[in-house]
Amino acid sequence: KNEVEQSPQNLTAQEGEFITINCSYSVGISALHWLQQHPGGGIVSLFMLSSGKKKHGRLIATINIQEKHSSLHITASHPRDSAVYICAVCKAAGNKLTFGGGTRVLVKP
Amino acid sequence: GAVVSQHPSRVICKSGTSVKIECRSLDFQATTMFWYRQFPKQSLMLMATSNEGSKATYEQGVEKDKFLINHASLTLSTLTVTSAHPEDSSFYICSATEAGESYTFGSGTRLTVV
Repeated sequence: KNEVEQSPQNLTAQEGEFITINCSYSVGISALHWLQQHPGGGIVSLFMLSSGKKKHGRLIATINIQEKHSSLHITASHPRDSAVYICAVCKAAGNKLTFGGGTRVLVKP
Repeated sequence: GAVVSQHPSRVICKSGTSVKIECRSLDFQATTMFWYRQFPKQSLMLMATSNEGSKATYEQGVEKDKFLINHASLTLSTLTVTSAHPEDSSFYICSATEAGESYTFGSGTRLTVV
């Protein structure tokens, strides 16, 4: 079993819909990251979380340390949100990231 | 915010030649640099971890003599694919962190070996 599991693997939404991506992990972590990878390949770090909730624009990330679970929400989704969203955990600060399998999101106009 | 500049973005080379990929942290000190490889529609695969001034630590199955990593300064790390073969064609991307404060990714390099 992978240390980081994401669901769903693929998600298609209509523009304006609310999107949720889930991430579960099975190891102790110092932080959890949400990353966005566009078709061109570049990766953008969206959030780095160690507790609670963070919000940036239409994106919200939450983490429950006790349940070893995190969610990424996209409100009022837009076609430009179409990308692969990746959950990654870090077991200790400065150490390598362990990645989930990614969620491919397609937002249709 | 933190920026990592990765060059080249695309490169086509002949079999048997070597290719160097550079990653520079522009506004922070990259104490640790990670090099990844990614096959189409697959997740990132960590190749090696390098700390400034010391030898890189390679993941199991990654040939250190084929994928040479140099991290000579706190702002520059390079990956050299030596004697490239078509099976080395892939997307390579770096990520840098300053003591775990944040992890910043380069824009990636698409390597095609013909």
